[in-house]
Amino acid sequence: EPEVTQTPSHQVTQMGQEVILRCVPISNHLYFYWYRQILGQKVEFLVSFYNNEISEKSEIFDDQFSVERPDGSNFTLKIRSTKLEDSAMYFCASSDWRTQYFGPGTRLLVL
Amino acid sequence: DQQVKQNSPSLSVQEGRISILNCDYTNSMFDYFLWYKKYPAEGPTFLISISSIKDKNEDGRFTVFLNKSAKHLSLHIVPSQPGDSAVYFCAASATGGTSYGKLTFGQGTILTVHP
Repeated sequence: EPEVTQTPSHQVTQMGQEVILRCVPISNHLYFYWYRQILGQKVEFLVSFYNNEISEKSEIFDDQFSVERPDGSNFTLKIRSTKLEDSAMYFCASSDWRTQYFGPGTRLLVL
Repeated sequence: DQQVKQNSPSLSVQEGRISILNCDYTNSMFDYFLWYKKYPAEGPTFLISISSIKDKNEDGRFTVFLNKSAKHLSLHIVPSQPGDSAVYFCAASATGGTSYGKLTFGQGTILTVHP
């Protein structure tokens, strides 16, 4: 069964450093998303991506964040200068219409 | 952001009995609802969904009921099995305007099914 994959599973970084989280969506899906879950909190929407551009973003998704689909398979989330409060589980999701399928997540820890 | 609420943080059920998980929403623009199951250190796994044009959708042991007038949905699991023990999230999305289907999640309910 097709699934969304994410790498790395864990990332530890120093405050101020750049991180890139990678995702391979399900191959025939057209809509891509990033969400995050801070420990003990809800899963929160960050950004959606369709037709090679951002279609919607939340207030969390400020200038420090960017997304890219550099080739036909990968979908990346970059955080330019990480802050302590960026520590969270980051989930990638993809869909062909309304139902989103999630990857296993990347646990990011900013020290 | 309290647009989707799961008021029960936890639920404990005996194996073989019915589990009923509840979810309330406030945004009348929501027109598609999903339930996800999540184990620790894993991503949410899609279980079942329902469109606002329906009031019930069934898939095996899982049934989702939608009451639009009450802005309430529920997930029934019958019969419950120990492997169902996980965190269950309700999520909702809206189409139209500038929305491209972003999901708004509830806080989750921890289901424990005892053998």
